[in-house]
Amino acid sequence: DQQVKQNSPSLSVQEGRISILNCDYTNSMFDYFLWYKKYPAEGPTFLISISSIKDKNEDGRFTVFLNKSAKHLSLHIVPSQPGDSAVYFCAATPRNYGGSQGNLIFGKGTKLSVKP
Amino acid sequence: DVKVTQSSRYLVKRTGEKVFLECVQDMDHENMFWYRQDPGLGLRLIYFSYDVKMKEKGDIPEGYSVSREKKERFSLILESASTNQTSMYLCASSLIAGAYNEQFFGPGTRLTVL
Repeated sequence: DQQVKQNSPSLSVQEGRISILNCDYTNSMFDYFLWYKKYPAEGPTFLISISSIKDKNEDGRFTVFLNKSAKHLSLHIVPSQPGDSAVYFCAATPRNYGGSQGNLIFGKGTKLSVKP
Repeated sequence: DVKVTQSSRYLVKRTGEKVFLECVQDMDHENMFWYRQDPGLGLRLIYFSYDVKMKEKGDIPEGYSVSREKKERFSLILESASTNQTSMYLCASSLIAGAYNEQFFGPGTRLTVL
């Protein structure tokens, strides 16, 4: 039972345009969400996060939007650059996860390709 | 900057061998995690630890064990490696349990079991 879903395994975007990566979740106990970026042969690196008390968080070219009623979040990258080509993982954490707060539940990832 | 290091970037082992994957973090983080990453499956949690000598099973602990004798070090052990354990193994650490803290990942170990 997948609690965090990234339904698009891949996305291709032209340089300079907007990239929109989507993530859906099923567990209403999730209240903190993170995006990680992963290059091949490297570990994931933290990109941006959002708490459930907000609906938007912005950091430079990256903005995350949260729609709690739809249990949906999205990552917008504007403008997209070739160096943004990577796999992006959405992750969520619940208030209480078997007493183990801080555990992250990851989606399967979306591979973004930004073409020059 | 937080640094999480893993003992090997690439490892090739034979079926039945005992395999040790070591992870060290230098930021005094309480929490440490072991994941494996497989194409189309994302990151799956194997084991985690919130304190020295403490360990808890994640989503896919079968065939693995862990050891945390010191705060900075978290080892993943494959008691008898099998070909279906061929994967990318990622170690991560984060600050305090009970708070929302990002996890910092190591570079990963690509393990091939022949």
